[in-house]
Amino acid sequence: DADVTQTPRNRITKTGKRIMLECSQTKGHDRMYWYRQDPGLGLRLIYYSFDVKDINKGEISDGYSVSRQAQAKFSLSLESAIPNQTALYFCATSDSQRAGETQYFGPGTRLLVL
Amino acid sequence: AQSVTQPDIHITVSEGASLELRCNYSYGATPYLFWYVQSPGQGLQLLLKYFSGDTLVQGIKGFEAEFKRSQSSFNLRKPSVHWSDAAEYFCAVGRHSGGGADGLTFGKGTHLIIQP
Repeated sequence: DADVTQTPRNRITKTGKRIMLECSQTKGHDRMYWYRQDPGLGLRLIYYSFDVKDINKGEISDGYSVSRQAQAKFSLSLESAIPNQTALYFCATSDSQRAGETQYFGPGTRLLVL
Repeated sequence: AQSVTQPDIHITVSEGASLELRCNYSYGATPYLFWYVQSPGQGLQLLLKYFSGDTLVQGIKGFEAEFKRSQSSFNLRKPSVHWSDAAEYFCAVGRHSGGGADGLTFGKGTHLIIQP
């Protein structure tokens, strides 16, 4: 089984709809992250969480919110989706106790906003 | 603010030839540096990383990278590429707040094409 899972893997929605993307991990890591990938732009950080009570904005947090329901679960919400939020979304985790703190990525959720 | 530049958007290499992908970074302290690979339709897989010690680091799939502080570079190399190496490659620098790593800054990626 995959260590970092994302649901759904693909989603089509309409402008103005609320949508939630979910991420779960079995790695036991304390830190979790949400990124979006756009063609030609690489990945950009949306939000990150050091633990359940510590949520931080990344460089492109406008239009998004997150919830860390448990150490293993980190959800990303689009309160009112707009077409320029069409992208590939990745969740990642890391272990703060490991030197060089590698981030491990989930398989991604492809979102299309019409 | 930190940044990562991958100057080559696309690179085409013949199978069996050597490869070098360039990465330059801007960061105010000693960086954590990473190379990830993304195969079509897949997530990101870590190839290698540098955070201290020997500046020449070995990774998976026969890749290596060299950290050159004086040039602010962390170029990825492979002596002989295989068709399965065709993918998107991302260089990233790890940021640090007082509590540790607070996210990666990625370059825009280099698309590697392998010619038969």
